[in-house]
Amino acid sequence: EPEVTQTPSHQVTQMGQEVILRCVPISNHLYFYWYRQILGQKVEFLVSFYNNEISEKSEIFDDQFSVERPDGSNFTLKIRSTKLEDSAMYFCASRGQGGQNYGYTFGSGTRLTVV
Amino acid sequence: SQKIEQNSEALNIQEGKTATLTCNYTNYSPAYLQWYRQDPGRGPVFLLLIRENEKEKRKERLKVTFDTTLKQSLFHITASQPADSATYLCVGTGGFKTIFGAGTRLFVKA
Repeated sequence: EPEVTQTPSHQVTQMGQEVILRCVPISNHLYFYWYRQILGQKVEFLVSFYNNEISEKSEIFDDQFSVERPDGSNFTLKIRSTKLEDSAMYFCASRGQGGQNYGYTFGSGTRLTVV
Repeated sequence: SQKIEQNSEALNIQEGKTATLTCNYTNYSPAYLQWYRQDPGRGPVFLLLIRENEKEKRKERLKVTFDTTLKQSLFHITASQPADSATYLCVGTGGFKTIFGAGTRLFVKA
């Protein structure tokens, strides 16, 4: 069964450093998403991406965040200057053309720890 | 504010019984609701999707209902098994906006 692949599985970074979280969505999917989940809390929407541009973003997704689809297969989330409160699981998800009939396929996540 | 609310208390049931999980939404009219399973440290796994014009949908031992009058969805697992123990997330989508519930933890005892 097709999977969404995320790397790395765990990233530790110093406060103020930049991190790039990587995702390979399912190849024929068209809609891409980043979510985060702080330990013990609910999944929160960050950003959606369609047709090579951001279609929606939440209030969490401020200027320190950016997304890219650099080469038609990877989908990256960059956090420019990490803060302690950015520590969370970050999930990438994708869905196909018939999106309203199917759910999202999530990756296994990247656990980001900012120290 | 727009909310998806699920029981925060864990649900404990005996193996073989039917588990019923509740999802309520407020200040919101989702075009469809999705249910996901999430195990600790893992990403959510899609289970079922039901649209606002559908009353009920089934998949194997799973059943989901959508009551737009009560603004509620019920998720049922029949003949529950210990392997069904997990957190179940209700997710509402309207337009491009998707809202996750906090999830209900289900424990199925053998």
